[in-house]
Formats: sequence, structure tokens, C-alpha cells
Amino acid sequence: GESVGLHLPTLSVQEGDNSIINCAYSNSASDYFIWYKQESGKGPQFIIDIRSNMDKRQGQRVTVLLNKTVKHLSLQIAATQPGDSAVYFCAENIIGTASKLTFGTGTRLQVTL
Amino acid sequence: DAGITQSPRHKVTETGTPVTLRCHQTENHRYMYWYRQDPGHGLRLIHYSYGVKDTDKGEVSDGYSVSRSKTEDFLLTLESATSSQTSVYFCAISELNKGWQETQYFGPGTRLLVL
Repeated sequence: GESVGLHLPTLSVQEGDNSIINCAYSNSASDYFIWYKQESGKGPQFIIDIRSNMDKRQGQRVTVLLNKTVKHLSLQIAATQPGDSAVYFCAENIIGTASKLTFGTGTRLQVTL
Repeated sequence: DAGITQSPRHKVTETGTPVTLRCHQTENHRYMYWYRQDPGHGLRLIHYSYGVKDTDKGEVSDGYSVSRSKTEDFLLTLESATSSQTSVYFCAISELNKGWQETQYFGPGTRLLVL
């Protein structure tokens, strides 16, 4: 079946630098995407979402970019802080079908001082 | 944390024993979910509920059952635990995000070890 693909690399970023975490998805019918942050020993935490009728959405220090042509989305974190260290993963869904959320496996972000 | 608690937070059990995990929410959400999280896999849906006594299977439902007798509680039961069910289990609820999309929010998780 189709699934959100997200390799599980470890991204090491220096404190204060910007981070970019990528995600590829394969279900062309997906029209809603979410980024989650998961700290060690905790449940996933909602960060930001985007609909397929948008290319970009900004939150506090985070920006999500969506490229539907190549089925790719990215999470940009500005001025990365030690508290940003976590596993980040994306999820895709079809609006109106809450039970159909599909998750990637995650990218570990390590913030070095 | 969307008012979600899970109990127990940690459990060690033996193969063949029944295990029940509890998810409790305080905000009257209609939809509740059980996921498992394993290394190398994304979160995988076990079962979900769309109302009291209304449940449906997810991607990895074999060996699991659920019950929802009241809105605030969603129980996950492993009828006869196996070592392959060693995992971290997350409960989630969904609520309307900006009025047009159900977004899922997660509990703190239950770490289960089956020996």
C-alpha cells in the first residue's frame, strides 16, 4: 500500500543554525499533512500542518513547505535550539478521513552546542 | 497533551497472559485511536473508535481487541500477549483543527514488554 516515506537519518545541526527536515509521500490523494515532534519517552506532539491547496505555511520558528509536483514536504526550523532535539516525522491524510493518517518513520534532529 | 492519560505507563508481562491498557480523555472527543510504535516503523494504527461502542480495525489489529463503554475511556486488550507485541503503545484523540480537519493528538504512551 501507499505510505509516507521518510528515511531515518540523523540530522546534526549547530545551535542557532536553521534545520531542514524532509519527507516524501506517495499517496497522490493525500491533501493534508502534519509534522510531529517526539521527544525521548514522550508521545508525538503536533507542530504544524498544511493543506494541499497551500505551498507554504509558517508557525513560530517553523515553516512547512509542500511541493505537490514531486510529492515532497519539508519542515524548516529557524534558529535551532537544544530543546528542538527530538525525532520529527510527517504524516499524511485525506481531509474528512481522520482514521487514515499515515506516518513516516522519522528523522532524529541533534542540536550541538 | 489534549487531556489524555494512559495507564499503566510501563508494564512487564509474560507470554500468554492477557493485558489491558487504558486511555482516558477529559475533553469529550468523539474519535480515539490506539497505535503501536516500533523501531523502523512509523506509528501503526491498531484500532480506533468513532463513538461509544463504535470501533473499527486498523492496520495491525490481529491479537488486539478494544472496547469503549463510555466517551472518556478507550481500552486496548491483548488477549494472550506475545513477544511480538512488545512495543510502545500510544493513544490518540482527534479534534477539529481550525474547523475543517480532524488532527490527532497523542497521549504519553505505555511501554509494554512481553517476556
